[in-house]
Amino acid sequence: GAVVSQHPSWVICKSGTSVKIECRSLDFQATTMFWYRQFPKQSLMLMATSNEGSKATYEQGVEKDKFLINHASLTLSTLTVTSAHPEDSSFYICSARDPGGYNEQFFGPGTRLTVL
Amino acid sequence: GENVEQHPSTLSVQEGDSAVIKCTYSDSASNYFPWYKQELGKGPQLIIDIRSNVGEKKDQRIAVTLNKTAKHFSLHITETQPEDSAVYFCAATPPYNFNKFYFGSGTKLNVKP
Repeated sequence: GAVVSQHPSWVICKSGTSVKIECRSLDFQATTMFWYRQFPKQSLMLMATSNEGSKATYEQGVEKDKFLINHASLTLSTLTVTSAHPEDSSFYICSARDPGGYNEQFFGPGTRLTVL
Repeated sequence: GENVEQHPSTLSVQEGDSAVIKCTYSDSASNYFPWYKQELGKGPQLIIDIRSNVGEKKDQRIAVTLNKTAKHFSLHITETQPEDSAVYFCAATPPYNFNKFYFGSGTKLNVKP
């Protein structure tokens, strides 16, 4: 099946610093990748959709300058949380669509971000 | 936009029993309905999905049924095992916005040995 990886799996940083999270599709080329945020015991909230080679499309209420997304290749998308603050602490999950399939999204294992 | 409601929020069953999780959706145009299993601290895993042109799909112990008229779909797990314990999410997506998955609120399934 389609495999998506994320790195790092967890990160702790100080307030005011920036953190980059990588999302890779390992066995397929993903023209479209997605970034979600999940709070404890809650559902997944779509943050943005990224297409390879173009600017990401952000959901309403998501700060573009805070959450920078780059989809530079067909297998890699990155999310950078800039000037992180404690309220940015969350579980961030990426997903990728396999263009050879119907509309399935395959999720990565997630990244736990803790901002001190 | 689409709105998906999921019930129950928690479900406890005895090992070997069946479990049923139900979702309703609001947009009759939605045509793709995936189900995800999420274990603690991990990303969601696609376990089964169904398109609007079929009414039922089965994969071993897991099945999904879709009632387009009533706009609801259900996940059925038979012969439950402790490793089925997880949070399950349903989702719906319309063809005019196929990038957007509208997720339900999740069901925490606990299978007691």
